[in-house]
Amino acid sequence: KQEVTQIPAALSVPEGENLVLNCSFTDSAIYNLQWFRQDPGKGLTSLLLIQSSQREQTSGRLNASLDKSSGRSTLYIAASQPGDSATYLCAVIGNAGNMLTFGGGTRLMVKP
Amino acid sequence: EPEVTQTPSHQVTQMGQEVILRCVPISNHLYFYWYRQILGQKVEFLVSFYNNEISEKSEIFDDQFSVERPDGSNFTLKIRSTKLEDSAMYFCASNLAGGLEQYFGPGTRLTVT
Repeated sequence: KQEVTQIPAALSVPEGENLVLNCSFTDSAIYNLQWFRQDPGKGLTSLLLIQSSQREQTSGRLNASLDKSSGRSTLYIAASQPGDSATYLCAVIGNAGNMLTFGGGTRLMVKP
Repeated sequence: EPEVTQTPSHQVTQMGQEVILRCVPISNHLYFYWYRQILGQKVEFLVSFYNNEISEKSEIFDDQFSVERPDGSNFTLKIRSTKLEDSAMYFCASNLAGGLEQYFGPGTRLTVT
């Protein structure tokens, strides 16, 4: 059974810092990996999707990398801003089926 | 930009009552999903739906749950007899094809008293 873990569970940084959020998964037979942002009490906003054949994806200040063989992904946020404060979730889809399996998230606080 | 919508945003119900949560997926999407998130816990998959039938379901999705696409736009989740432990945020999602990016709605917060 696929297990997804995110470290750290919470992170507090000063504005302007570059930071890395980590995601690991136990079964490397994934089809793709998706990073989401969740604001308190709100829905999930898709940030980036990396297909299993890709190594990384970029969107603005965000860069996500994938190392399928080691079961890891990282989300890099450049020049963090207070508006980046949210919980960041990673989720994977296996090769069989379309269900997303989620990690527990990293709660990020960017202080002005 | 097209988005997934869900109604109501918050539903309070008494234990044992039936509830129906509603979702309007993005119009050209073909795959529909329900997930839930109990407060403080991970988002969990419940069910996926394609071509008017369930394609996958989790252990959570037992006989108390059902899904339906009653018309060309709505996708519903029914809980027949709610329990206290059904209290959670329920998210609907959709995508154009299996394995592609899933787009989530804002969620319905269900409180069972």
